[in-house]
Amino acid sequence: GAGVSQTPSNKVTEKGKYVELRCDPISGHTALYWYRQSLGQGPEFLIYFQGTGAADDSGLPNDRFFAVRPEGSVSTLKIQRTERGYSAVYLCASSSPCPRQGYNSPLHFGNGTRLTVT
Amino acid sequence: AQSVTQPDIHITVSEGASLELRCNYSYGATPYLFWYVQSPGQGLQLLLKYFSGDTLVQGIKGFEAEFKRSQSSFNLRKPSVHWSDAAEYFCAVGAHILTGGGNKLTFGTGTQLKVEL
Repeated sequence: GAGVSQTPSNKVTEKGKYVELRCDPISGHTALYWYRQSLGQGPEFLIYFQGTGAADDSGLPNDRFFAVRPEGSVSTLKIQRTERGYSAVYLCASSSPCPRQGYNSPLHFGNGTRLTVT
Repeated sequence: AQSVTQPDIHITVSEGASLELRCNYSYGATPYLFWYVQSPGQGLQLLLKYFSGDTLVQGIKGFEAEFKRSQSSFNLRKPSVHWSDAAEYFCAVGAHILTGGGNKLTFGTGTQLKVEL
C-alpha cells in the first residue's frame, strides 16, 4: 500500500515568511510524528500526535512552530516568521497502534520536505 | 535522557567485504533499538529492530544486529556488502511515550557508508 506522503518535496521561502508542510500518513496509523533533520545530523523529534491530539510537543523549538491534525489523519506543520536556521529536511512518520503493552510499533517515514529559508 | 552515539562518521568498504557499523546508546531502562537506512533524497527505511528476547536480530537486505547490554551497544553487521548498500545508516533508541503509547526516537548522527567496487 501507499507509504507516508509529504508535500511539497521542496520548499524555498524568504526569511520572515510563513510556511506549511503537509503529511499524509499510512491509512490506519493513529500515531503521527514530525522530525527535523539538519545537514549532517540525525533526525530530531519535534511533535507526536495520537489521533487528533498532540500527545508530546516537547521537541518544538519555539512558538513559531505549530502542528495540527484536525481529523486524525493528515497533519500540517506550520512555521511562522521563518529564520535561515530553520532550513532542514522535515520528516513525517506514522505508526500503527501498539498491539500490547511494552510493544513499540516501528515508525514509517516519508521522504521529507526540504525547507530552504533564504 | 536517552542518547545514541555512532562513532564512525564515514566508513568505506570494498564490495563483498564484511561490514560492522557501531552504535552505543544511553538509556535508563530496557531500550527499544532500531537501525534505519537513508538513501539520498529518500526517507528513512527500517532495517531491523530490537524490543526484547533474542539479542541477535535479523533484518532486511541481509543485515543483522546484536544487542549487548553489558556494552550498551547495538552494532549493525552484514557479511558481504553490495554496492547498493551505499547510504547513510542511523541507529536510534526509542522511549515509550506513556500518553497514547507512542514511540519517541532519539537518533545518532549517522554513519555514511561508501562501497568501493
